[in-house]
Parts: sequence; structure tokens; C-alpha cells
Amino acid sequence: ELKVEQNPLFLSMQEGKNYTIYCNYSTTSDRLYWYRQDPGKSLESLFVLLSNGAVKQEGRLMASLDTKARLSTLHITAAVHDLSATYFCAVDLFYTNAGKSTFGDGTTLTVKP
Amino acid sequence: DVKVTQSSRYLVKRTGEKVFLECVQDMDHENMFWYRQDPGLGLRLIYFSYDVKMKEKGDIPEGYSVSREKKERFSLILESASTNQTSMYLCASSLQGGPQYFGPGTRLLVL
Repeated sequence: ELKVEQNPLFLSMQEGKNYTIYCNYSTTSDRLYWYRQDPGKSLESLFVLLSNGAVKQEGRLMASLDTKARLSTLHITAAVHDLSATYFCAVDLFYTNAGKSTFGDGTTLTVKP
Repeated sequence: DVKVTQSSRYLVKRTGEKVFLECVQDMDHENMFWYRQDPGLGLRLIYFSYDVKMKEKGDIPEGYSVSREKKERFSLILESASTNQTSMYLCASSLQGGPQYFGPGTRLLVL
């Protein structure tokens, strides 16, 4: 059974600081996704990571994938208040699960002034 | 842009009522999903459909059924609503091998 673990689950940080959210998964995967959920809203897709060493960046967020370590990271650079949200990673076993993803529990990020 | 819409944003029902939640996507996606999201329990998959009339149980299918008669539409049915089904329900769709696109969610309160 595929397990996906995120840490930390809660993160409070000051504006301007850097931090990293970690996503570990238990089985060889075909692809990994990061999603963002604003309070009271639904999830939206941020990044799709398909291969070992993949790196994607958008604004102050950068996601990377190490398939050998079964680890993805979401790095936040010089945090701003607008980044406050819950971030989920999700992993697909494409050939066995036919498109179903297993989600981590989410990391709730609060950026304080 | 992919659009996933859900029939209601907020719904209040009584115990024992039959409840229909509808989800429509406009991007010809094969896959559609129903999740519920509760504080501290994360996102839990109720049912998944990979084609018209095809469905698979997710992690928590008990008390729910689904219907997919057309590719763009995926309905979640609570045959006899109970208070423990009070939750946020999220619908999503995806292409095979792609990220999921989520609807805005339905907050269901069962009294």
C-alpha cells in the first residue's frame, strides 16, 4: 500500500524567511503532484513532477523530486503572507492505480508579518 | 481553463434524506473523483470513475453510491443521509496521468 507522509504538518514562519516542506512516499512512483488549498477553498494544482531530478519553479515556490530517495521537497523562498495556505503532495502509481492519487495529510503554512 | 463545477456550495439536509451531489467538468477528462475532507482527516477518496458507467470504490465508500451516465457528469448519492456525513465534498477530474482539477466544494450539513 502506498503511503505518503508530509512534514511538517504545521508551519509558522516570518515573512522573508526560507523554508522547506518534505514529502516522502513508500513505493516507486510514476509521478508526483503538489497542490495548494486556500482557507475555505478547494485545491488547485501547483506542480507536476515526472522524473528523477525534476525541478519546477513558480514565483517563490520551487518543487523538486528525488525518485531514488522517494522524496519531494517544496521550497519557499522569502515567504510572503499570500503564501499562507495548506500544501498537499500527492503520488500516482499510474500503471497500477489508473490515475488515482494518494495524498499526504497536507502542510498548513502560516506566514506572519 | 479546466472548469469543474459542483451543483451546490452549501447544502442542509435532514437525517434519512436522499442527497444528490452533482459534478460537471468541461474538459473531456476520463477520470472523475469524489472526496470528502474533514479537519484532521485529510482528503479521503469516496469513489473514482475512469470511464462512463465505470466506477471503483475508494477508501470510504460505505453509505455512498455514484453514477456516471455521461463523461462530463459524476454524481454522488447519499442514500440515507446521516449526521456523520456532514463534511466538505470535493469533486475532481483528470486526464490519465495528469493532475486533478478540483471543483469549489460542497459543504453539506446533515441535521
